[in-house]
Amino acid sequence: DAMVIQNPRYQVTQFGKPVTLSCSQTLNHNVMYWYQQKSSQAPKLLFHYYDKDFNNEADTPDNFQSRRPNTSFCFLDIRSPGLGDAAMYLCATSRGLDYEQYFGPGTRLTVT
Amino acid sequence: KNEVEQSPQNLTAQEGEFITINCSYSVGISALHWLQQHPGGGIVSLFMLSSGKKKHGRLIATINIQEKHSSLHITASHPRDSAVYICAVRRGSQGNLIFGKGTKLSVKP
Repeated sequence: DAMVIQNPRYQVTQFGKPVTLSCSQTLNHNVMYWYQQKSSQAPKLLFHYYDKDFNNEADTPDNFQSRRPNTSFCFLDIRSPGLGDAAMYLCATSRGLDYEQYFGPGTRLTVT
Repeated sequence: KNEVEQSPQNLTAQEGEFITINCSYSVGISALHWLQQHPGGGIVSLFMLSSGKKKHGRLIATINIQEKHSSLHITASHPRDSAVYICAVRRGSQGNLIFGKGTKLSVKP
C-alpha cells in the first residue's frame, strides 16, 4: 500500500544532542511537510519542500533543519534539542499545494 | 481570536447518537480539511472541501463558503469514532494549513 512512513515512532534524546527524524513516502508526491504537535495543541507547520524547493515558516527556530535528498525521503534535524522541543513530529505529503495531505503516524520525541 | 474556531471543544455521546462538530473561520480559503487523530496516533484526512457537501460512510461534511462555516456529522456513532477531530483551512494558494484546536469526541457504549 502506498503510504507515509516515519521512523522511528519513538525517539529519546538527551538535551543538546543532535537528533534526526526520518520520513519516507511511496506516493510519489511532490510536497513533503514537517509539523510539530505539542500535547493538546494543534499541529504547527515547521517547513515544507515542494520538490527540491525548501520553504521555511517564519517562526520556525534555526535549531530545526530539513533535508530532502530525493522525492521519497525527507529528514528533520534538530541540532540542539531543548526540553521544549519534546513533541510529536508529523510528516505529511501531498501531490501539490492545493491537494489533500496524507499524514504519517508521527514520531514522538522525548528530550531528557 | 483564532482564525479557525471549532465547537464544541469536548463532546461525549452515547453509541448510536447523531454527532455534529462545527468549524468557523475568518479568512478567505481555497479549501477546508477535516482530519481525525486517535490518541497517540497520526492524523487521517477525512475530507477536503471547497464547496457543498461530501459523504463517506457514516461521515458527512458540509461547507458554506458565504458564512465561512463547516460542519462534520457522524451518523450512528460508535465507540471507535472516539478521537480528536480537527478542522484545518488552506488560505489561498499557500501550502500551509491553519488548524483549529480540535474537538475531542468520546462515544460511550
